[in-house]
Amino acid sequence: QVQLVQSGAEVKQPGASVKVSCEASGYTFTGYYVHWVRQAPGQGPEWMARINPNTGATNYAQRFQGRVAVTRDTSITTVYMDLSRLRSDDTAVYYCARGKYNWNDFDYWGPGTQVTVSS
Amino acid sequence: DIQMTQSPSSLSASVGDRVTVTCRASQSISNYLNWYQQKPGKAPKLLIYAASSLESGVPSRFSGSGSGTDFTLTIISLQPEDFATYYCQQSYSIPYTFGQGTKLEI
Repeated sequence: QVQLVQSGAEVKQPGASVKVSCEASGYTFTGYYVHWVRQAPGQGPEWMARINPNTGATNYAQRFQGRVAVTRDTSITTVYMDLSRLRSDDTAVYYCARGKYNWNDFDYWGPGTQVTVSS
Repeated sequence: DIQMTQSPSSLSASVGDRVTVTCRASQSISNYLNWYQQKPGKAPKLLIYAASSLESGVPSRFSGSGSGTDFTLTIISLQPEDFATYYCQQSYSIPYTFGQGTKLEI
């Protein structure tokens, strides 16, 4: 069965960086995008980025450009999301999600990783 | 960015009711519209993709319609497990954006 397993919760100080991992299993890793979506407390989801695991090509939301980087390691079917220069309003649950190449709906989601930014 | 506006923001209903949630895009998105259900503390779950296609395993009491800028999610014969928050999402252009959500309450 399709599974996306994410790394554990993180607490970071303002200005620091965080790296969240997402290990995929149960499907052909290179056959789907992996997206990153975050959700701040009490807010709706917000799309951040996607990666094509086959080519490594990435797309980022403009508001995160220069602060976010998504990479993948096909040998261990894992995608990573790096977010730098953290601010308090980056406190959120960060999800990875699988997306179809032709549609970009998110049909499987990881359980989420809580990232808390606090001094 | 394409803005997605949902209405209502909250909705009270009873088991067995039929409810409709509306989503409007700030520009035409063809049928690149998806609907999700989210329960507290859980990841969103895909219900409908391509405006009207039911995701595998989702009960047939859920349906979607619309194209262009106006879309609806309809749930017939509400079940207790349907009380949750619902989000629309456009997958027409990056950045993919979500509506603000509709909380369905008993």
